[in-house]
Amino acid sequence: SSELTQDPAVSVALGQTVRITCQGHSLKTFFATWYQQKPGQAPILVFYGKNKRPSGIPDRFSGSTSGGTASLTIAGAQAEDDADYYCSSRDTSANVIFGGGTKLTVL
Amino acid sequence: QVQLQESGPGLVKPSQTLSLTCTVSGASITSGGYYWTWIRQPVGKGLEYIGRMSVTGTAHYHPSFASRVTISPDASKTQFFLTLNSLTAADTAVYYCARDLPWISWYNAFDVWGQGTMVIVSS
Repeated sequence: SSELTQDPAVSVALGQTVRITCQGHSLKTFFATWYQQKPGQAPILVFYGKNKRPSGIPDRFSGSTSGGTASLTIAGAQAEDDADYYCSSRDTSANVIFGGGTKLTVL
Repeated sequence: QVQLQESGPGLVKPSQTLSLTCTVSGASITSGGYYWTWIRQPVGKGLEYIGRMSVTGTAHYHPSFASRVTISPDASKTQFFLTLNSLTAADTAVYYCARDLPWISWYNAFDVWGQGTMVIVSS
């Protein structure tokens, strides 16, 4: 099926490491892509492919995809990382699908 | 630096047709092998992929929208359009245009986004 499942909410203490996960059948074939969205703003790309981080994205953001599960890890979360995070991937019908989003709270 | 900017009516009546424009600055939509995409987000909800257009103007639509959507280029190659007909209140959302990296590997990525434009469907 063409669905990606994310936990609705995750919290992390300031400076600690947090993993946001995304599950779906499409992730057995395609890499996940991750976007960060803050209130009232457009999403921004934070990680994609096997190991690609756009210019300007801190290296505390990293990602992995394996066996139908993808993870976005933030090592040493900062206050500015408080945001919604969406995973997405291609599917075998050439569509792009999104997860429902995870609200990350940095405590 | 590539920038995208959406424009269009903020309010549309039910059953009518929505027409949005995405203006691309800093690049041509015919170069680089990118896909030019529309995505929407109902208020307080997640992102929904609507469809995309290639550099040749060939379009691909998500099945949820395929029967009532058209994505097309402008002759100037600096704009592309979204047309969505038979609107209902469920189409009320922020609509984004975005650039998708070339599909040369096992991923896609929207690396440039417009700021989004709010569309309300109401009588």
